[in-house]
Amino acid sequence: DTAVSQTPKYLVTQMGNDKSIKCEQNLGHDTMYWYKQDSKKFLKIMFSYNNKELIINETVPNRFSPKSPDKAHLNLHINSLELGDSAVYFCASSQAGGENTEAFFGQGTRLTVV
Amino acid sequence: QKEVEQDPGPLSVPEGAIVSLNCTYSNSAFQYFMWYRQYSRKGPELLMYTYSSGNKEDGRFTAQVDKSSKYISLFIRDSQPSDSATYLCAMSTWSTSYGKLTFGQGTILTVHP
Repeated sequence: DTAVSQTPKYLVTQMGNDKSIKCEQNLGHDTMYWYKQDSKKFLKIMFSYNNKELIINETVPNRFSPKSPDKAHLNLHINSLELGDSAVYFCASSQAGGENTEAFFGQGTRLTVV
Repeated sequence: QKEVEQDPGPLSVPEGAIVSLNCTYSNSAFQYFMWYRQYSRKGPELLMYTYSSGNKEDGRFTAQVDKSSKYISLFIRDSQPSDSATYLCAMSTWSTSYGKLTFGQGTILTVHP
């Protein structure tokens, strides 16, 4: 059973297109995240949602719009894709509160903009 | 200057060697320190978790945190080829909303037979 699953795993698209990445978690967590990993493996948080509410928005261009229909899902829609958006996007989830802030990550979506 | 600095390597060691991986940080509010392991084309997975200063051991892995120096380390004893991966340090503050993690760049480790 996959704990955090993302689709698609690979996405190749042209500049200017609009695309979406879907994420689902079956861990019962109440917080979900999107992280971006660049070509140098640097992993940086983009968004955090808790109980469907946006908690963190780390100065991401407004071409990126997350949407959380329920606690178990967090999708990422990207408008007008640019070459610089090419990266691996990871969805993650955790349970808010408590000492252990372990985040469980999905397998990643490798986005290539050509 | 990044909040968390980590030497990206790459680091190549023979099987059986002791590996030392390190991170420095600038935000003194960090209290929770983690090491994630990421295999090629996979998501990061939690390896070690430490709260505040001190040492923590789990099998061949030892995590150390020195808050006074803002320095954390991960030691791998008797390294195996299966340890070949990218190792990412990560940190968070208690006051940071809902477990936001700040990552280092990751160190690429190769253990050759």
